[in-house]
Amino acid sequence: DARVTQTPRHKVTEMGQEVTMRCQPILGHNTVFWYRQTMMQGLELLAYFRNRAPLDDSGMPKDRFSAEMPDATLATLKIQPSEPRDSAVYFCASAGSRAFFGQGTRLTVV
Amino acid sequence: QQQVKQSPQSLIVQKGGISIINCAYENTAFDYFPWYQQFPGKGPALLIAIRPDVSEKKEGRFTISFNKSAKQFSLHIMDSQPGDSATYFCAVTTSGTYKYIFGTGTRLKVLA
Repeated sequence: DARVTQTPRHKVTEMGQEVTMRCQPILGHNTVFWYRQTMMQGLELLAYFRNRAPLDDSGMPKDRFSAEMPDATLATLKIQPSEPRDSAVYFCASAGSRAFFGQGTRLTVV
Repeated sequence: QQQVKQSPQSLIVQKGGISIINCAYENTAFDYFPWYQQFPGKGPALLIAIRPDVSEKKEGRFTISFNKSAKQFSLHIMDSQPGDSATYFCAVTTSGTYKYIFGTGTRLKVLA
């Protein structure tokens, strides 16, 4: 059963620390997305990749966020330095013709 | 600018009733319209989707109605069940880019 795998599932960190979230997309999917979900903003697209190349990261605060795909089986989202306002659930999704979401990483920055 | 508007924000329906959630979009270039269902603590899961060459698609108790001229589409859940209680998101995208833009979500509660 193919699925998108995200790690860690939960992360609590102190303000100012670096946070790295990882995603393993479904094998064969060439499009990978990062979304952030909050009660206030809903699902916000942060960045997405096609064939490992970044296509759009306009939704991402560039000064502290970065997204990469070092290879076809791994996507990463980093926040440095983290701030309390970054507390949210971060979802990775991968798509062939349809998009499938991972279970998310619940980030709490204290 | 909000590219897709979803309503209502929340919905309470009696068991056996019909749940209706609506979405409206602006860009006529969108050509794929999925609905996602999300349970607490889980990621959104694809429920049903439609392309603009048809006006309706039905899968079990779930139906999408699509009005291309009005740039609107809706999700109908027939015979709603307590297990349908979840948050529902509409989305829009264009083939080729598959850059999904989501509505703000509708929290559905089906009363037993």
